[in-house]
Amino acid sequence: SAVISQKPSRDICQRGTSLTIQCQVDSQVTMMFWYRQQPGQSLTLIATANQGSEATYESGFVIDKFPISRPNLTFSTLTVSNMSPEDSSIYLCSVLRPSTGELFFGEGSRLTVL
Amino acid sequence: KQEVTQIPAALSVPEGENLVLNCSFTDSAIYNLQWFRQDPGKGLTSLLLIQSSQREQTSGRLNASLDKSSGRSTLYIAASQPGDSATYLCAVKNEKLTFGTGTRLTIIP
Repeated sequence: SAVISQKPSRDICQRGTSLTIQCQVDSQVTMMFWYRQQPGQSLTLIATANQGSEATYESGFVIDKFPISRPNLTFSTLTVSNMSPEDSSIYLCSVLRPSTGELFFGEGSRLTVL
Repeated sequence: KQEVTQIPAALSVPEGENLVLNCSFTDSAIYNLQWFRQDPGKGLTSLLLIQSSQREQTSGRLNASLDKSSGRSTLYIAASQPGDSATYLCAVKNEKLTFGTGTRLTIIP
């Protein structure tokens, strides 16, 4: 299985600030995915990050609010901009093993916005 | 639109018992189904992946089955242990990946 490291594991932030979450994978992957899990909810896909191209955002998510970088095949960042308490969630990055379709997740970044 | 349901939302069983978790989906035209566990405040750990052509997969004390025609998958946990306490999520892949809302499992020592 892929080893996926996320930083920070958790953070407490003030309203109006921005936070960047990093995701590092131990092998090269074509597609990386960013998910949000709000308290008591299941996972919602924010965007798909492909190396060398703009991220593809799901309905309800926009680049201004969640800018994503994908500088190489092992790394991606997600920024949560101009945060509000409604952004308090666990943010997770994931990668797909193309040969099987199996999805692997990082440990998650637990964000609390005051 | 695919809908994935996991019932019950929460389950408590004494240590040592065998148990079954359920996952139902509305669109049977799937590529695969994956089971995960999630510890509180953490990421997801992949448990088992069943391809659409398969009927079951096994890993240790875990066995997952898939019945596409009825839109159901079950995760069987044998000889449960307190360390099995977690939320279990199923995710169904067709055009998109759709997650269930999970079953929170508590194993009582």
